[in-house]
Amino acid sequence: SQQGEEDPQALSIQEGENATMNCSYKTSINNLQWYRQNSGRGLVHLILIRSNEREKHSGRLRVTLDTSKKSSSLLITASRAADTASYFCATDELGGNQFYFGTGTSLTVIP
Amino acid sequence: GAVVSQHPSWVICKSGTSVKIECRSLDFQATTMFWYRQFPKQSLMLMATSNEGSKATYEQGVEKDKFLINHASLTLSTLTVTSAHPEDSSFYICSARDIRGLAGRLRDEQFFGPGTRLTVL
Repeated sequence: SQQGEEDPQALSIQEGENATMNCSYKTSINNLQWYRQNSGRGLVHLILIRSNEREKHSGRLRVTLDTSKKSSSLLITASRAADTASYFCATDELGGNQFYFGTGTSLTVIP
Repeated sequence: GAVVSQHPSWVICKSGTSVKIECRSLDFQATTMFWYRQFPKQSLMLMATSNEGSKATYEQGVEKDKFLINHASLTLSTLTVTSAHPEDSSFYICSARDIRGLAGRLRDEQFFGPGTRLTVL
């Protein structure tokens, strides 16, 4: 399977704390993207980081990418109850045009 | 951003019937469309890649005779689940990509539809 893995599978934190989730993948990539999905709903694109980038910020989100380790992390700072959702990384394979999703992290932010 | 729609959003059918799901790119030409399946509390699994005007490429383990994909135009791809059974009940999500980067759109953008929930009784 070309699916990546994410950890932790589930994360529960208090509102205001930071949440960090990690993604590991298997192939060489063009870019890696993070998505959010509320239960039973569609995907929301959060951020894209290209293979030649190491870190990217967007609002309360910070994404890092280490292509030598084939891993990425998503940090959500000052979490809010509304951040409760599942978060997935997706890799855009080098030389292909498919996306492969990680296994996902279920984040619960307790008010 | 670009908009991708899916129809229907939810379908319930009897076991043994076939169900067609449509995926449309509304404001751009999608040279490539993708179909994913997501079971409850699981991630999205890529089922197949659909290129306009050619046969779809299926991922390992996905039965091409059961999941028929047609990508007849640059704005429409259809997934037909043939002889559906309860184990086919899932959330099916399509995405569309303009790999040629026409109209100034970045080729690495992929736009997802809202998903279709299939329940087979």
